Amino acid sequence: AQTVTQSQPEMSVQEAETVTLSCTYDTSENNYYLFWYKQPPSRQMILVIRQEAYKQQNATENRFSVNFQKAAKSFSLKISDSQLGDTAMYFCAFMSDRDDKIIFGKGTRLHILP
Amino acid sequence: NAGVTQTPKFQVLKTGQSMTLQCAQDMNHEYMSWYRQDPGMGLRLIHYSVGAGITDQGEVPNGYNVSRSTTEDFPLRLLSAAPSQTSVYFCASSNRVTGELFFGEGSRLTVL
Repeated sequence: AQTVTQSQPEMSVQEAETVTLSCTYDTSENNYYLFWYKQPPSRQMILVIRQEAYKQQNATENRFSVNFQKAAKSFSLKISDSQLGDTAMYFCAFMSDRDDKIIFGKGTRLHILP
Repeated sequence: NAGVTQTPKFQVLKTGQSMTLQCAQDMNHEYMSWYRQDPGMGLRLIHYSVGAGITDQGEVPNGYNVSRSTTEDFPLRLLSAAPSQTSVYFCASSNRVTGELFFGEGSRLTVL
């Protein structure tokens, strides 16, 4: 069975700094998808970034980028020039290409300090 | 656009009572799923469906039933509520092409 591990329960950084959130996963599949979701205090889940395992190039969305290391089964999220609005829970997620099941890690609570 | 609609948003039950959380999506998504969110536990998959008439168990299916008679609807049933089922429940759907999940606003359930 696939698992997703986020080893940092909580992090705090100063506004404008860069922060990296860690995620590792375990799977025997070769094709799959990885995601980072953001959950602000409003509780609404928002997709931040998506990576397809067969693509070697790391995905980037404005200030958000990932470091995808397939062999190491690692999928970290880097937030550059962090802003107060980035304060949220961040969840790493894995989607199986075989059965479409999507599972999540336990999350990292990120605080951006003014 | 309504997206994914969950009802009710809040519910208080007594142990042993039954209830159904409703979920509907208007995006013609094949994939639908239910998650529960508990502090420190992240989102855990309860049940999911890849199309009408097809359902499968997730990580924590015990105590919950689902059915998928139409593409739009995916209700979650608690047959005999227990305090351990106190949680926030999220319904989500996806088009299976990008895998992006679209979430409902969540339903906070308290079982006394």
